[in-house]
Amino acid sequence: DVKVTQSSRYLVKRTGEKVFLECVQDMDHENMFWYRQDPGLGLRLIYFSYDVKMKEKGDIPEGYSVSREKKERFSLILESASTNQTSMYLCASSPGTSGEQFFGPGTRLTVL
Amino acid sequence: ILNVEQSPQSLHVQEGDSTNFTCSFPSSNFYALHWYRWETAKSPEALFVMTLNGDEKKKGRISATLNTKEGYSYLYIKGSQPEDSATYLCAINTDKLIFGTGTRLQVFP
Repeated sequence: DVKVTQSSRYLVKRTGEKVFLECVQDMDHENMFWYRQDPGLGLRLIYFSYDVKMKEKGDIPEGYSVSREKKERFSLILESASTNQTSMYLCASSPGTSGEQFFGPGTRLTVL
Repeated sequence: ILNVEQSPQSLHVQEGDSTNFTCSFPSSNFYALHWYRWETAKSPEALFVMTLNGDEKKKGRISATLNTKEGYSYLYIKGSQPEDSATYLCAINTDKLIFGTGTRLQVFP
């Protein structure tokens, strides 16, 4: 059974803190993605990665960075959290660039 | 950036009612159209991947059609059940997935 796991379901942080959101997939997928979902907006792509140590900016990369040191793990980093980064964050992986993506359960981050 | 629109934004139906909602897109220049179901506190899961104009897919009481010429896809649920309550997302697959805002369905017993 395919599985994408995210390190936390709920997270509360303070403005200015450095925040790490971790994502692990056990399907040996090349591609991994980070999205955020806000009310009234579709899932928006923050960053993605097609291979280890490789990263590409998505549609809303400002304020975020990512790390992919191992194939199965893709981390999203908020260097200095701000209140407008309060959101639901979803990680996904896929075996190819144009196929179905498999999602984690999401992390609801609140920045106070 | 291609804009994917879904309507309605939310829907409340009684158990047993059939329902449908729409995903609209401005261009047929994509590889596939995806439908996902996202239940509260769970991961979004894929329902259908549709690639050809005229495609029809079915899974139990849920079916979907794709019309790339007129720029829409319909998702139908026959005889809605409370366990169908979820947000239904569509996405078009270009070099990445572009998602609509979703339709939130609530089915009341």
